[in-house]
Amino acid sequence: DSGVTQTPKHLITATGQRVTLRCSPRSGDLSVYWYQQSLDQGLQFLIQYYNGEERAKGNILERFSAQQFPDLHSELNLSSLELGDSALYFCASSVESGGALGDTGELFFGEGSRLTVL
Amino acid sequence: AQSVAQPEDQVNVAEGNPLTVKCTYSVSGNPYLFWYVQYPNRGLQFLLKYITGDNLVKGSYGFEAEFNKSQTSFHLKKPSALVSDSALYFCAVRGLFMNNNAGNMLTFGGGTRLMVKP
Repeated sequence: DSGVTQTPKHLITATGQRVTLRCSPRSGDLSVYWYQQSLDQGLQFLIQYYNGEERAKGNILERFSAQQFPDLHSELNLSSLELGDSALYFCASSVESGGALGDTGELFFGEGSRLTVL
Repeated sequence: AQSVAQPEDQVNVAEGNPLTVKCTYSVSGNPYLFWYVQYPNRGLQFLLKYITGDNLVKGSYGFEAEFNKSQTSFHLKKPSALVSDSALYFCAVRGLFMNNNAGNMLTFGGGTRLMVKP
């Protein structure tokens, strides 16, 4: 058990709909990362938040957005869903020192949310 | 930009034999290198990391990895494979960013499926 909790574990929805995925990081971790895992794209970094603020952005579509709340949990919002959005969405957390230097921590991953768009 | 290559989609090995899963990377500056394992329908589990120091890094479940700076490689190894080692393995790199705003996400390779046969 990594200590990172993701809900829901499975989600089936229709094209055009909107869903929200939730992540609770490990206790004490300030950084949250979202990754998308699909069969043809592998693991793609979407976005990182550190202590409530966006830190880095990867290959995240404009239809997707995320936020991190004061209690450090994070939500990933996916809207106008398309068939190609079907994937496993992982959340990960790390301690993060707040600065790049000396920050060697690995990421701890949740079990993922499997999204199926029909 | 940083990148990771795992040249083999699948590695097959007999139980009891040594195994190697290959990884090469590209990053500016000194790399932080990681190996993760993913079992079916599970999240990624951290195996080991290289930050600095001894080029041979020992990790969980008897795995080790050898950092080779001149070849920009970080191959995962195990002296004697077990059937239970069968899983998807990911190599990842994290660059040492000098800019605090650059983010500290991991960039993953495409993954290598390890099949250990009895």
